[in-house]
Amino acid sequence: DQQVKQNSPSLSVQEGRISILNCDYTNSMFDYFLWYKKYPAEGPTFLISISSIKDKNEDGRFTVFLNKSAKHLSLHIVPSQPGDSAVYFCAARSHTGNQFYFGTGTSLTVIP
Amino acid sequence: AAGVIQSPRHLIKEKRETATLKCYPIPRHDTVYWYQQGPGQDPQFLISFYEKMQSDKGSIPDRFSAQQFSDYHSELNMSSLELGDSALYFCASSLGTRNTEAFFGQGTRLTVV
Repeated sequence: DQQVKQNSPSLSVQEGRISILNCDYTNSMFDYFLWYKKYPAEGPTFLISISSIKDKNEDGRFTVFLNKSAKHLSLHIVPSQPGDSAVYFCAARSHTGNQFYFGTGTSLTVIP
Repeated sequence: AAGVIQSPRHLIKEKRETATLKCYPIPRHDTVYWYQQGPGQDPQFLISFYEKMQSDKGSIPDRFSAQQFSDYHSELNMSSLELGDSALYFCASSLGTRNTEAFFGQGTRLTVV
């Protein structure tokens, strides 16, 4: 039962443009959301997070938007750079239990 | 800054053997998580510990066990290894269990032959 879903397995964006990665979740108990970037054979690297009491969090080129009513979050990267090319995982956790639920990942390719 | 350290980075074992993976969390982090990632899959949660006590359990086989020690490092013990256990095993740590990020180690690639 996939509680966190990333419906786009891949995304290609031109350098300098905006990359938008989407994530949907089903569990209304989730109250904290995170984005990770991952290269092959390496551990996920934390990028940015957002609490359910907020609808936006920004850190440099990365902005995460949360729409609780739609159970949807997105990661905006602007401007996109070739070094951003990686697999991006959305993750969520609830205040019950102690684990992170991961989406299936979106492979981002930024074309120079 | 110190990160999560996992050892070994690579491990090759034969079927039915045992393996022990180690995880050293970021200093002061009191929570450890173990994940398994197969090829082309998202990370699957195995088990977590907070303050040396198991705090959540996922799809960890009965052949696997884990614990967190007094210095907060954790070990994942895997017995009667099967070919299907071949995967990347990630450990992550966090400070506390609420509204907190988890930071991942580089992983241990286990190959069972």
